[in-house]
Amino acid sequence: LAKTTQPISMDSYEGQEVNITCSHNNIATNDYITWYQQFPSQGPRFIIQGYKTKVTNEVASLFIPADRKSSTLSLPRVSLSDTAVYYCLVGDPRGGGGYNKLIFGAGTRLAVHP
Amino acid sequence: DAGVTQSPTHLIKTRGQQVTLRCSPKSGHDTVSWYQQALGQGPQFIFQYYEEEERQRGNFPDRFSGHQFPNYSSELNVNALLLGDSALYLCASSLPTGVRTGELFFGEGSRLTVL
Repeated sequence: LAKTTQPISMDSYEGQEVNITCSHNNIATNDYITWYQQFPSQGPRFIIQGYKTKVTNEVASLFIPADRKSSTLSLPRVSLSDTAVYYCLVGDPRGGGGYNKLIFGAGTRLAVHP
Repeated sequence: DAGVTQSPTHLIKTRGQQVTLRCSPKSGHDTVSWYQQALGQGPQFIFQYYEEEERQRGNFPDRFSGHQFPNYSSELNVNALLLGDSALYLCASSLPTGVRTGELFFGEGSRLTVL
């Protein structure tokens, strides 16, 4: 499974755009990039997933360059409620033999200030 | 539609005891994964169950075992508890083979404290 590297923490202010970059130099051909958000004492929550180029949903955008060795999660106009830990995961959702296993790293602790 | 439900939400045990945690997956999901999350760390993969069998396992000792029932619900058992087993135990379910997207649906977790 591809190893990921993210910043340990980031700070931002309400209304700003936040970009969190994840490095995954040994990403495999069949691997997808998935981001999760976790609030204290809650389970992680799926944010967005992509394979290449750009993916956008109602919550965030995911930018993936052509070499796919990194990805950037973009959160537009953050609010205090976006304060959470964000995890970047890389893996084949189909998994070996059809069984998917995603490995979480330490994540990025985002603090949004008033 | 209920999401992933876990029980109990909190429990306290003493060293050497055994504990059983339970998980009901989201409706329509047949695969259950268990994660251990120590304070301040990311979730660590314990194992995954599909078709009532353990399919993949992380780097956890045999004291950690599990089971999946025909209705896809699952149990996590930990024997001979150690202080270091204190953590939030998360259950996640996912879609059947063939329609997997890699999206895991997590429960709120069971907070285990070992004294």
